[in-house]
Amino acid sequence: DGGITQSPKYLFRKEGQNVTLSCEQNLNHDAMYWYRQDPGQGLRLIYYSQIVNDFQKGDIAEGYSVSREKKESFPLTVTSAQKNPTAFYLCASSIGKSYGDTEAFFGQGTRLTVV
Amino acid sequence: QKEVEQDPGPLSVPEGAIVSLNCTYSNSAFQYFMWYRQYSRKGPELLMYTYSSGNKEDGRFTAQVDKSSKYISLFIRDSQPSDSATYLCAMRVYDKVIFGPGTSLSVIP
Repeated sequence: DGGITQSPKYLFRKEGQNVTLSCEQNLNHDAMYWYRQDPGQGLRLIYYSQIVNDFQKGDIAEGYSVSREKKESFPLTVTSAQKNPTAFYLCASSIGKSYGDTEAFFGQGTRLTVV
Repeated sequence: QKEVEQDPGPLSVPEGAIVSLNCTYSNSAFQYFMWYRQYSRKGPELLMYTYSSGNKEDGRFTAQVDKSSKYISLFIRDSQPSDSATYLCAMRVYDKVIFGPGTSLSVIP
């Protein structure tokens, strides 16, 4: 089945640690996105990538880093510089602007909690 | 002013009611308009998308876009308890998809 897989589903981090959230897609999509979702604030864009080895900052990129070494993979690292990392993180992909990009498809999310 | 505004609710309706969910936006460059449904602790799933003004129907769901007023709506007919979820409007501008904050809907049996 084609889709987007995020792992782990739940993640606990100690203060001062970096953690990496995995996102893999087998939809052959060019574009991938990371969003953060907090109660009452909706989805906020962290980073996005339209092509391998290229990515752009979204609205709340501070304290996060990404890489796009393969088309299928777009991991997100939450660094110790992120002051309030506890949130629900969502990865998405879309076909890409070269193909008349329209809707984005989402994974099931990773809930990160700082302990 | 936020680019996309949406009443967060919560909205509670009896089963069988017609539900109207709305978003307004400020950026006339938005090209595509989408509605997503998100169940608790799950990722959003796409319900409908459209790129032109007017209505688009899919079963019990109708998406309406009015570009002149910068206003989009989602109508749900014969609402069911399984429709209880958060509904997110979303709009594409160039490389990015911008989401509204979502409206929480409860359909009471």
